[in-house]
Amino acid sequence: QVHLVESGGGVVQPGKSLRFSCAASGFTFSSYDMHWVRQAPGKGPEWMAVISYDGSNKYYADSVKGRFTISRDSSKNTLYLQMNSLRTEDTAVYYCARQMMGGNHWYFDLWGRGALVTVSS
Amino acid sequence: EIVMTQSPATLSVSPGERATLTCRASHSVSSNLAWYQQKPGQAPRLLIYGVSTRATGIPARFSGSGSGTEFTLTISSLQSEDFAVYYCQQCNTWITFGQGTRLEIK
Repeated sequence: QVHLVESGGGVVQPGKSLRFSCAASGFTFSSYDMHWVRQAPGKGPEWMAVISYDGSNKYYADSVKGRFTISRDSSKNTLYLQMNSLRTEDTAVYYCARQMMGGNHWYFDLWGRGALVTVSS
Repeated sequence: EIVMTQSPATLSVSPGERATLTCRASHSVSSNLAWYQQKPGQAPRLLIYGVSTRATGIPARFSGSGSGTEFTLTISSLQSEDFAVYYCQQCNTWITFGQGTRLEIK
């Protein structure tokens, strides 16, 4: 069974930091580009960041560039998202997502269950 | 940023009937478009990619069409499990999603 399981969500004050993890299982994690996508309550998903299969390339949405950092440890089959300087508008469910293999198109064929981050004082 | 606009926001259809959902892009996305289904409390699930290719395990009653800036997801005969929220996503220029169409039972 292929799985992605996020952890690290919770309530945090504005300006603080949080580190998310996403544990992968059931597939060759080191072969896939991986993404973080978030979804604010009642809204559509919002893409945030991607990291290449070998960690050599990273790209970010403008809304999180300079505040969030994506990374991975393929020896642990784990994806990370370091979130700094959190704002109330960062409140959302955060998902890790696997990019579909082949064709270099950014479609997501496997998602984690998501974890809620609430930024509030 | 490419803005994806979905219509209608809510669609009420009876089981067994056909549902047609629309997604419009503010700029051409060529054929770089996908559709996802999301049920309450769950992550989105990939249904269609490359405009019209069904993802693994997706029933044939789901079909996609369109190109450039206008796209359609059609569900030919609605089953009870199809009532959910549907999102389109472009990946021609970075990634953006639509705001969703809620498909509800009439």
